[in-house]
Amino acid sequence: EVQLLESGGGLVQPGGSLRLSCAATGFTFSNFAMNWVRQAPGRGLEWVSTISISGYSTYDTDSVKGRFTISRDDSKNTLYLEMSSLRTEDSALYFCVKSNSDFYYEYWGQGTLVTVSS
Amino acid sequence: EIVLTQSPATLSLSPGERATLSCRASQSVSSYLAWYQQKPGQAPRLLIYDTSNRATDIPARFSGSGSGTDFTLAISSLEPEDCAVYYCQQRDSWPRTFGQGTKVEIK
Repeated sequence: EVQLLESGGGLVQPGGSLRLSCAATGFTFSNFAMNWVRQAPGRGLEWVSTISISGYSTYDTDSVKGRFTISRDDSKNTLYLEMSSLRTEDSALYFCVKSNSDFYYEYWGQGTLVTVSS
Repeated sequence: EIVLTQSPATLSLSPGERATLSCRASQSVSSYLAWYQQKPGQAPRLLIYDTSNRATDIPARFSGSGSGTDFTLAISSLEPEDCAVYYCQQRDSWPRTFGQGTKVEIK
């Protein structure tokens, strides 16, 4: 059974930093692209970042470029999102998402909540 | 950026009725479109990918169609558990984008 367990969310002041982690089990982690998708309270879904197999390529939505970094450690079956210069508009539930072989969002974790507030 | 516009915003139907949800793209996404279902308090679930392929364990009452800029998700006979918000999403180009969602209510 595929399981994705996010951690690292919390309350942080504007301008602060956080590191999200996602522990993956139940599949061969190194064989799939991985993603972060966020959802502000009461709002829709927003794609944040994608990392390819082996981490060779990464993609980010414009609003987080230069502030967020997606990475992966295949030896630990773990996905990361380093977030810096956080803004109030980054407040959201952050989902760790496994791509399928067609690059759609096949499995989702339950999310970790990030709140950026003074 | 490709903008996906979903309609209607809310759909209220009775059990057994057919639901038709629309997703229109601001430019062609070929067939690279998916649909997700999100129930309150839960993570989204992949329903349909590449326009018309049902994901694993998705009931046959869910079907997708379309191409280019106009896409449809149909639920042939609504069940009470289909009460949810449905999102379309394109993977034709970066950035990946989602529609704003259609809420399906069961009368």
